[in-house]
Order: sequence, then structure tokens, then C-alpha cells
Amino acid sequence: ETGVTQTPRHLVMGMTNKKSLKCEQHLGHNAMYWYKQSAKKPLELMFVYSLEERVENNSVPSRFSPECPNSSHLFLHLHTLQPEDSALYLCASSQDYGNTEAFFGQGTRLTVV
Amino acid sequence: AQSVTQLDSQVPVFEEAPVELRCNYSSSVSVYLFWYVQYPNQGLQLLLKYLSGSTLVKGINGFEAEFNKSQTSFHLRKPSVHISDTAEYFCAVIFTGGGNKLTFGTGTQLKVEL
Repeated sequence: ETGVTQTPRHLVMGMTNKKSLKCEQHLGHNAMYWYKQSAKKPLELMFVYSLEERVENNSVPSRFSPECPNSSHLFLHLHTLQPEDSALYLCASSQDYGNTEAFFGQGTRLTVV
Repeated sequence: AQSVTQLDSQVPVFEEAPVELRCNYSSSVSVYLFWYVQYPNQGLQLLLKYLSGSTLVKGINGFEAEFNKSQTSFHLRKPSVHISDTAEYFCAVIFTGGGNKLTFGTGTQLKVEL
């Protein structure tokens, strides 16, 4: 149990669908992150929220839209995705942005068909 | 440029043998260093970290790593591996003063065989 929970664990969606990934942490952390993990590539940092404000957006296509309604929850809204977006999407949290270890969820395995 | 390199994409090793997984980084600023492990269909779990102090860091599951500033390395070692250590291992670095975000290497798949 890492304290970071992601749902769903698996998701298959068509290119015209709209879906959302959910992440929840009960660690009292102030920073939350979305990463994309594709085969044979380093983990890619997509978004960072610190104290519920977005502090990083690393050139992610607009078909990915994050939302952080409070310090415990983070969403990733998906629409009109492409097959190359299929990957493992990992959520993480840390006590504060950048200077401490990150705790990861188990990920959502996304397949775009 | 700041970067993290894990040269070995796969490391096969027999059970009870020692193993070393290599990590090198490139940086002109001070760094914080981490090793994470990812078991199949799981997220990443922190094995150990170096923030300051002693350059030899001990982590969970019998792993340790040594920070070598002159060689800009942070290699992970275990004296005797077990089948359950089969997993992917990621080195990660925080380059201080540069946005403070974790930068990951490409990972090393450790396969322990009988």
C-alpha cells in the first residue's frame, strides 16, 4: 500500500471517446504529478500541481487535460486520443514540490484503439 | 545538459550472485539521487535515496548504492540476489535549482534466474 490510489487500473478507449483517470492520495502531500510510461522510453513528466496550482506543463498535447480540485485528488481528462497515447499513466505525490521522494500509484494501463 | 543514463537495458544474473546496476548523470549543479523499483503491473517503489551525508546509502530489500561525485555515478548493488528481485529498476535525479523535478533514466530490467 503506497498511499496513492489510481483508478481505473486498466482502460480501453476509442479515439473518439472521453474518459478520465483518477488519482487519490491520503498522505497529506502538497504536490501531485502525472507521468507517462511508454515502452523503452524514460518516464515522461506530464503535469505537476503544487498546493492545487499547476506548476509544470511539459508540452503535453491539449487532448490531455489535468484537474486538481483539492490537495488529495488529481484527474487526467482524456479526449480524442491517438493510438500512440497508449501507455501506463502513473500518478505520484510528494510532501512538497521537487525536494523529496515521490510516492507512486500502481498506474492506469491505457489502450487506445 | 542535465541527463541520467542507465547504460544496461537488461541484466541477467543467477540467484545468489551479486549484481550491480549502473547509473550515471550529467550535471553542473548539486543533485539528489534515487533508485526506484517497478514490479510487473505495479507502480514505482522507492528503494533508496541520497540527499546528503554519507555517500554509501542502504535501502530496502538488501540493496545499497554509492554516490561517487567525481565519476558522477550512483550505482546500485546487492551482494546476493533472489528470484523476487526480478523487476525493472530506475535511477532518478533531482537537479537542484533547475525546477526540482525528478528526471528518470530509461530503466534496467533485472532478471534473476535459477
